Amino acid sequence: EDQVTQSPEALRLQEGESSSLNCSYTVSGLRGLFWYRQDPGKGPEFLFTLYSAGEEKEKERLKATLTKKESFLHITAPKPEDSATYLCAVQAFDSWGKLQFGAGTQVVVTP
Amino acid sequence: DTAVSQTPKYLVTQMGNDKSIKCEQNLGHDTMYWYKQDSKKFLKIMFSYNNKELIINETVPNRFSPKSPDKAHLNLHINSLELGDSAVYFCASSPKPFGEQYFGPGTRLTVT
Repeated sequence: EDQVTQSPEALRLQEGESSSLNCSYTVSGLRGLFWYRQDPGKGPEFLFTLYSAGEEKEKERLKATLTKKESFLHITAPKPEDSATYLCAVQAFDSWGKLQFGAGTQVVVTP
Repeated sequence: DTAVSQTPKYLVTQMGNDKSIKCEQNLGHDTMYWYKQDSKKFLKIMFSYNNKELIINETVPNRFSPKSPDKAHLNLHINSLELGDSAVYFCASSPKPFGEQYFGPGTRLTVT
């Protein structure tokens, strides 16, 4: 069965203190790995899709990378508005679009 | 313009009642989904429809019945509500049955 494990569960950062979130996965035929951001009381907001090992995507202070077993979300010089729960999900080729989510990493950035 | 919308935002009801949650997307997507997020914030897929046809039906009690009247709408009807049904339910859509999905704002269901 497909599995997604995110670490750490929670991360507290000072503004400007860069860090990385980890998403390790096992899936039978990866179609794509997705990163989402979720703010309290809101739906997940799509950030990135990664399709193959070695691929990287960037958006503002966020950079996502992918290997054959894990993905990292790097947050560079975070600001308080980057505080959110970051969710990782995998989609297998034979899944009819099903996203298998990890439990998320809650990030708090303090001024 | 809201891309994926859900109504109601909050739903409080008693055990045994029947309730519905509605979802609409104006993105022109072919595929729609229902996810459940439990108290531990874990998101799990329940159903998926592609062009009004059911393509994913996870192990969900048959008290839950999705209905897709057209490609832009996917409703969720729940019979005989139980305490364990309390959760946040999210609707999502995607252009095809693969690729990134766009989520609605969620419906918080509380069963008392």
